[in-house]
Amino acid sequence: EVQLLESGGGLVQPGGSLRLSCAASGFTFNAYAMTWVRQAPGKGLEWVSGISGRGADTYYADSVKGRFTVSRDYGKKTLYLDMNNLRAEDTAVYYCAKAPHSGPGSYGDYWGQGILVTVSS
Amino acid sequence: EIVLTQSPATLSLSPGERATLSCRASQNINTYLAWYQHKPGQAPRLIIYDASNRATGTPARFSGSGSGTDFTLTISSLKPEDFAVYYCQQRSNWPPITFGQGTRLEIK
Repeated sequence: EVQLLESGGGLVQPGGSLRLSCAASGFTFNAYAMTWVRQAPGKGLEWVSGISGRGADTYYADSVKGRFTVSRDYGKKTLYLDMNNLRAEDTAVYYCAKAPHSGPGSYGDYWGQGILVTVSS
Repeated sequence: EIVLTQSPATLSLSPGERATLSCRASQNINTYLAWYQHKPGQAPRLIIYDASNRATGTPARFSGSGSGTDFTLTISSLKPEDFAVYYCQQRSNWPPITFGQGTRLEIK
């Protein structure tokens, strides 16, 4: 059974940093791309970042480019999102999602439950 | 960036009725469109991919159609568990991958 479990969220001040983790199980981790998607309060879904199965290719939304970094640890089967210089508009529930193949430009066939990040002073 | 526009914003129907949700793309995306169901406090769930293919576990009452710029998600006979927010998402021209703004399907 595919399982994705996010952690690392919480309250952070504007300008601060946070690292989100997504622990994966139930599938061959290096064979599938992974994605981060967020949902701000009262808003819809927004794609944030994607990373290929082997980790060689990474992609970002313009709104986070230069501030967020996606990576993955194959030994720990964990996806990460390092978030720096956080802004109030980054406040959202962050979801990790697995793609159905190794390329990152795809759908999310399995999703985590999400983790809340609040940026506020 | 490809913009996806969903309509209506809210759809009020009763169990047993047929639901028709629309998603329009700002440019041709072939059939590279997915539909997700999202309930409060839960993970989004993929229900349709590549416009018309049901994802694993999606009931047969859900169907998707369309190509190019106009797409439809149809739920043939609504069950109580179908009331949720539905999003379309394109993977034709990325980054960025984009979502529609969502259609809230509520019980009448």
